[in-house]
Amino acid sequence: NAGVTQTPKFQVLKTGQSMTLQCAQDMNHEYMSWYRQDPGMGLRLIHYSVGAGITDQGEVPNGYNVSRSTTEDFPLRLLSAAPSQTSVYFCASSYSTGTSGANVLTFGAGSRLTVL
Amino acid sequence: EDKVVQSPLSLVVHEGDTVTLNCSYEVTNFRSLLWYKQEKKAPTFLFMLTSSGIEKKSGRLSSILDKKELFSILNITATQTGDSAVYLCAVKVNRKLIWGLGTSLAVNP
Repeated sequence: NAGVTQTPKFQVLKTGQSMTLQCAQDMNHEYMSWYRQDPGMGLRLIHYSVGAGITDQGEVPNGYNVSRSTTEDFPLRLLSAAPSQTSVYFCASSYSTGTSGANVLTFGAGSRLTVL
Repeated sequence: EDKVVQSPLSLVVHEGDTVTLNCSYEVTNFRSLLWYKQEKKAPTFLFMLTSSGIEKKSGRLSSILDKKELFSILNITATQTGDSAVYLCAVKVNRKLIWGLGTSLAVNP
C-alpha cells in the first residue's frame, strides 16, 4: 500500500506563478485535507473534502483552490504564488462515517514550497 | 473560538527519564482527541481518545483523557533518544481537527 502520495516533494516558484500540488490515496478514504505547517503556527487547515464532489474551506483558504472529482485524488492549486505561501504542505486522509469528517489522519510525506 | 493548548512548548530530558506532556482544550463540540508524533517528516498517529479515564497504552507511551477538566496527558516512560520529536495534540470538532502547536521533546543520551 502506498498510503498518501504527494508530489512534488520540493518546488521553487516565482511570485505570480501558479502550480498544483498533487495528492493521491489508495485507502478508499472519504475524507481528504490539505494543511500548511509553518514555524510557530502549527498545522493549519487550508481546504478539506468529505467525499467526491464535496469540498469546504478550512482556516486559511485564500490563494488556494481544490477540487475532488474522484475519491482518490485531491489536488491543491496555488493560483498566483506569493512569498507568504512559502511553507511545508501536507495532504492527509482518513476514513469517514457518512460526512462525519476527519478521524485518524494518515499524512503524506509533505511538499516543501518556496516562493521567491 | 475553539482552541487547543499544549504545554510545555519544549522539554529537554535525559535518557531514562519519564515525561508528561499536556494538552488542554476549549471547544464547542468535542468528538475525540488525537496524539501524533512528528520527527523531521510527516506526523504519525499515536492514540485516539474519546472516553474519560480510559488509558490507552502502547509500549512506553500511554495517554488518558479527562473530559470534565478538558485535558489529556501523554506519558513516556524510560525515554530514549528515538523519542526526540514534536508531539502534536488535535481535537476533533464537528468535521475538522483543531491542532495544538506541539511540544518539542529532546532526549539527550
